[in-house]
Amino acid sequence: AQSVTQPDIHITVSEGASLELRCNYSYGATPYLFWYVQSPGQGLQLLLKYFSGDTLVQGIKGFEAEFKRSQSSFNLRKPSVHWSDAAEYFCAVKRSNDYKLSFGAGTTVTVRA
Amino acid sequence: GAVVSQHPSWVICKSGTSVKIECRSLDFQATTMFWYRQFPKQSLMLMATSNEGSKATYEQGVEKDKFLINHASLTLSTLTVTSAHPEDSSFYICSASQNNEQFFGPGTRLTVL
Repeated sequence: AQSVTQPDIHITVSEGASLELRCNYSYGATPYLFWYVQSPGQGLQLLLKYFSGDTLVQGIKGFEAEFKRSQSSFNLRKPSVHWSDAAEYFCAVKRSNDYKLSFGAGTTVTVRA
Repeated sequence: GAVVSQHPSWVICKSGTSVKIECRSLDFQATTMFWYRQFPKQSLMLMATSNEGSKATYEQGVEKDKFLINHASLTLSTLTVTSAHPEDSSFYICSASQNNEQFFGPGTRLTVL
């Protein structure tokens, strides 16, 4: 079975500072990888995804993520956070031959002025 | 493109009543849809996979007679919470699958009194 680990439950960052959210997965082959953002009381919005190719992926809202096969990681980064980036972030993994997504526990990002 | 809607966005009902939640893919056809449940401050828990024209596949521990799923068309799946009780209060999110991605609805907040 595949699993997704987001080691950081809560991260507080100052506005304008950089942000990195960690995601590790366990799966025998290269999975499809996703990062979603959820604002309170809202559904999930896709930030970016990785299926194959260039391991550095650009997403919406200035986010990027890097797939590192050797570390089984897909960490999300943003060079300079805005107050509107305060939200819950979920990493998700999908096997290439399956419809299901496996989600990490999520990381809550708080942005301080 | 790839917009998914849910209705209602929130519902309050009395204990013992049934509640139906609709999930629609607005601009694409979805053979497969998913229903998730999310508790406060927690990740998404997959309840069931809904396949158009066939029976839903429920995850372990999810009562199929309690959570009735119907996927009668390629753009509509419904989740009916039967004989709802306060412990069924939660945030329910649907998604629709297309090209190895899942597109999420905005969620439905169910409160059972």
